[in-house]
Amino acid sequence: EVELLESGGGLVQPGGSLRLSCSASGFTFSSYAMHWVRQAPGKGLESVSSISSNGVRTYYADSVKDRFTISRDNSKNTLYLQMSSLRGEDTAVFYCVKATRSDISRPSFDYWGQGTLVTVSS
Amino acid sequence: QAVVTQEPSLTVSPGGTVTLTCGSTTGAVTSGHYPYWFQQNPGQTPRTLIYDTSRKQSWTPARFSGSLLGGKAALTLSGAQPEDEAEYYCLLSYSGAGVFGGGTKLTVL
Repeated sequence: EVELLESGGGLVQPGGSLRLSCSASGFTFSSYAMHWVRQAPGKGLESVSSISSNGVRTYYADSVKDRFTISRDNSKNTLYLQMSSLRGEDTAVFYCVKATRSDISRPSFDYWGQGTLVTVSS
Repeated sequence: QAVVTQEPSLTVSPGGTVTLTCGSTTGAVTSGHYPYWFQQNPGQTPRTLIYDTSRKQSWTPARFSGSLLGGKAALTLSGAQPEDEAEYYCLLSYSGAGVFGGGTKLTVL
């Protein structure tokens, strides 16, 4: 059974940093691209960042470019999102989502984690 | 940046049929946009229902179907159930980048 377990969320001050992790199990992690998708309170979904299965190719939404860094450790079956220069508008639930492909040439999604809440506030 | 458009809200009667649509400000939606549909029940995590226009996940109930209709992607629900009351999001691909629509709140009443 595929499981995606996010962690690392919490309260952080504006301008601060936070690292999210997503521990994956139930599938061959190194074979699939992965995504981070966020949802601000009461709002819709936003694709934040994606990474290919081998970590070589990455994608960032314009809203987070140069502030967020996606990475993965295939030996630990773990996906990361390093977030810096955080702003109030980054407050959201961040979901880890498994892709159905190894590349990120086009979006592909199947399994979603339960999400972790990031709150940016002073 | 392209904007993906969805109806803000729709209502369907139990047992009835409803079609949700997903449009693009750049023009007609085609299979090359690889349309996705996601369902998010109140207070729950989103789940993937439809991918690549019309293909279903193993957990997708048979009453849901995807298609292209009048230049838009469409999600049709035939035989609505109370548990189908949820927010539905579509996503379209633009040169590899995925853009979500704003969501349609579907009420079964």
